Amino acid sequence: DSGVTQTPKHLITATGQRVTLRCSPRSGDLSVYWYQQSLDQGLQFLIQYYNGEERAKGNILERFSAQQFPDLHSELNLSSLELGDSALYFCASSPGTSSQGTDTQYFGPGTRLTVL
Amino acid sequence: QQQVKQSPQSLIVQKGGIPIINCAYENTAFDYFPWYQQFPGKGPALLIAIRPDVSEKKEGRFTISFNKSAKQFSLHIMDSQPGDSATYFCAASYTGFQKLVFGTGTRLLVSP
Repeated sequence: DSGVTQTPKHLITATGQRVTLRCSPRSGDLSVYWYQQSLDQGLQFLIQYYNGEERAKGNILERFSAQQFPDLHSELNLSSLELGDSALYFCASSPGTSSQGTDTQYFGPGTRLTVL
Repeated sequence: QQQVKQSPQSLIVQKGGIPIINCAYENTAFDYFPWYQQFPGKGPALLIAIRPDVSEKKEGRFTISFNKSAKQFSLHIMDSQPGDSATYFCAASYTGFQKLVFGTGTRLLVSP
């Protein structure tokens, strides 16, 4: 158990809908990352937040957005869903305090999104 | 430039064998190379990581070999067990970059 929790575990919805995925980082971790895992694209970085502020952006669609709240939990919002958005969405967290600039990232169990 | 190429895509070995998974990168700025293990239905879990100042790192039965000049690194699993059957991902990042760039994964099956 990594200490990162994600809810819900499974989500089934229809095209055009909007969903929210939630992540609670490990206790004390300030950084939260979101990744998408699909069969054709592998594990792709979406976005990173550090202590409430956006730190880095990857291959995140404009229909997707995220935020990190004062209690450090994060939410990933996916809107106008398409069939191709079906994937596993992982949240990871790290302390964000490494002097070498690269922290170990600990992954949650993921949310499996199915868009019908 | 940001890609990490991983091979093979899948691997079958007998119990006790030494599977080897290889990764190659282009971006010489990368300075952190972790390996993650993922079981079906679970999130990736960090196995072992290396930085370019060493050529080899061992943790238990897992060893990373790193060749800076060739821009390649590999994972060796000594005395593999059926419980090691999982998908393995190499990744790379660099100081200040934070995000991990993942390889495409290797599905390992260790037969009893």
